[in-house]
Amino acid sequence: SQTIHQWPATLVQPVGSPLSLECTVEGTSNPNLYWYRQAAGRGLQLLFYSVGIGQISSEVPQNLSASRPQDRQFILSSKKLLLSDSGFYLCAWNYDSGNTIYFGEGSWLTVV
Amino acid sequence: AQSVAQPEDQVNVAEGNPLTVKCTYSVSGNPYLFWYVQYPNRGLQFLLKYITGDNLVKGSYGFEAEFNKSQTSFHLKKPSALVSDSALYFCAVLRGGATNKLIFGTGTLLAVQP
Repeated sequence: SQTIHQWPATLVQPVGSPLSLECTVEGTSNPNLYWYRQAAGRGLQLLFYSVGIGQISSEVPQNLSASRPQDRQFILSSKKLLLSDSGFYLCAWNYDSGNTIYFGEGSWLTVV
Repeated sequence: AQSVAQPEDQVNVAEGNPLTVKCTYSVSGNPYLFWYVQYPNRGLQFLLKYITGDNLVKGSYGFEAEFNKSQTSFHLKKPSALVSDSALYFCAVLRGGATNKLIFGTGTLLAVQP
């Protein structure tokens, strides 16, 4: 069966520091991968998606970037964090030919 | 543009009573509709989906949803609520294309009182 892992689960970072959140999917190959952000405990916003290694699409302009160095690895990064980057970040995946999207357990980022 | 609306920020129901969480959608073409549940500080868990076929879809934890094309609705239901059902529920529509990107509603907080 397929599983998705993301880490760290919680992170407190000062303004201006770098960020790296990692996500890996096990038990499948060539998945679509996604990064979502949930702000204020409610709304979910798609940040990035990837259909293959090195292929990244950004949904909204922001202070963040994403990379996919391996087939089942998706990384969310920032060179300099802003206070507004605080939130709950969710990695997700699905099959290219399927449609149900499955989510990881999320990473809480607090920028102070 | 595809979108979903969840008109209720919060739904309160007594344990043992039936529950309904409302969702309406706006899509061009045939809708692919989903329900997810989120417990505090956790990721989203998939509950059920409607792609085609029977309008009544059964999912996890005893939940079901009814697709109503004329009313463009996809309400989530359960015959008998449990306190453990208390959580945040999201309706979503598939935006389509190769990447299958989900567009989410704003979420409805379900509170089940013992």
